[in-house]
Amino acid sequence: NAGVTQTPKFRILKIGQSMTLQCAQDMNHNYMYWYRQDPGMGLKLIYYSVGAGITDKGEVPNGYNVSRSTTEDFPLRLELAAPSQTSVYFCASSQRLPGLVAYVGTDTQYFGPGTRLTVL
Amino acid sequence: GNSVTQMEGPVTLSEEAFLTINCTYTATGYPSLFWYVQYPGEGLQLLLKATKADDKGSNKGFEATYRKETTSFHLEKGSVQVSDSAVYFCALSDRTSYDKVIFGPGTSLSVIP
Repeated sequence: NAGVTQTPKFRILKIGQSMTLQCAQDMNHNYMYWYRQDPGMGLKLIYYSVGAGITDKGEVPNGYNVSRSTTEDFPLRLELAAPSQTSVYFCASSQRLPGLVAYVGTDTQYFGPGTRLTVL
Repeated sequence: GNSVTQMEGPVTLSEEAFLTINCTYTATGYPSLFWYVQYPGEGLQLLLKATKADDKGSNKGFEATYRKETTSFHLEKGSVQVSDSAVYFCALSDRTSYDKVIFGPGTSLSVIP
């Protein structure tokens, strides 16, 4: 069980380039998330997905795109990279059941190791 | 809207000292509360959680009690170790509003021998 994996670990981009950050999970979780973490700051949600084929915007979606064609994969696409997108990107997944009660073992987010992106 | 507030860091303690990191929240419904820990160079991992009022979450000597009357979920440990040096994030998940988890800004802890 690898959990949540992310590739690449590090990347340097030039302004205007594009790239895709890969994220995969092998826990059959329905929810997946992309966050960015700027130095000394907390996490900001970029996009999330509640299941294959369904995605929604978080707090800071501008400049990013996502897709969720399978349960396992949730890639994040950066188009026209800008210096403001220099950050550490974390992918996460969780298993959520319907209803208002958070059962033990659900709702916990499992994070990948992160991708450190620098845009110059 | 929902929000999480944490005490400002960084916090520096000597080994075996008592740790408290304060966390308060605002939520419209009945949130679940979490503490996540981030060790240097790694992603976040769950430290403990509580899903209803008066629940106590505990793990690795850390504890936090869900206090609905004071809307708090303070993290405590009786005797910290150097290996506890990390950034600690308080978070909430409120199913009656939307499905996203709200994270606090994080509190950096350094434990010195």
